[in-house]
Amino acid sequence: DTGVSQDPRHKITKRGQNVTFRCDPISEHNRLYWYRQTLGQGPEFLTYFQNEAQLEKSRLLSDRFSAERPKGSFSTLEIQRTEQGDSAMYLCASSLTGVWETQYFGPGTRLLVL
Amino acid sequence: ILNVEQSPQSLHVQEGDSTNFTCSFPSSNFYALHWYRWETAKSPEALFVMTLNGDEKKKGRISATLNTKEGYSYLYIKGSQPEDSATYLCAPNYGGSQGNLIFGKGTKLSVKP
Repeated sequence: DTGVSQDPRHKITKRGQNVTFRCDPISEHNRLYWYRQTLGQGPEFLTYFQNEAQLEKSRLLSDRFSAERPKGSFSTLEIQRTEQGDSAMYLCASSLTGVWETQYFGPGTRLLVL
Repeated sequence: ILNVEQSPQSLHVQEGDSTNFTCSFPSSNFYALHWYRWETAKSPEALFVMTLNGDEKKKGRISATLNTKEGYSYLYIKGSQPEDSATYLCAPNYGGSQGNLIFGKGTKLSVKP
């Protein structure tokens, strides 16, 4: 399977703990996006990378969130000191460069903060 | 804040019925519109990318149209099947340097056999 993969698929954590998610994009894609979906909403943009450079961050991405894409391949999204409001589905997508390019999504990581 | 509206929020149809959904979006600085189908426990699946006013795209029994001047798109499903049950999301992007998608809340379709 050469699609976008995400790990883990589910994560339950206690408030105040740190969590890290991983996304492996389609190998030839140089753009990688993170989105978050909460109940009853569509996915909301968090941040994106062009190769290893993080080019844009949403105001939704508080200081507790950090994302990396070392070497322009896989990416990690870390949430420090989790809060109950962080409970959501975290989606990763990758694409070739260009606003008309299709973004291919992974299955997401569902986070529950107790 | 860009507002993308999808209607209806949910739809229940019988197998064999044809159906359609609406996506409304701000037309200023529009670059492209993406449609996705998202089945439970799976990845969102790309259906169409549409860019030009009057565009029509078709994939099997699913088709879509685009009006960029007034800012709307219709998605049609002909002869719905139970496997069409999913949430259908539309997402325009407005270009710039990032190309991030602005998603609507989706239309949840349930097709009864």
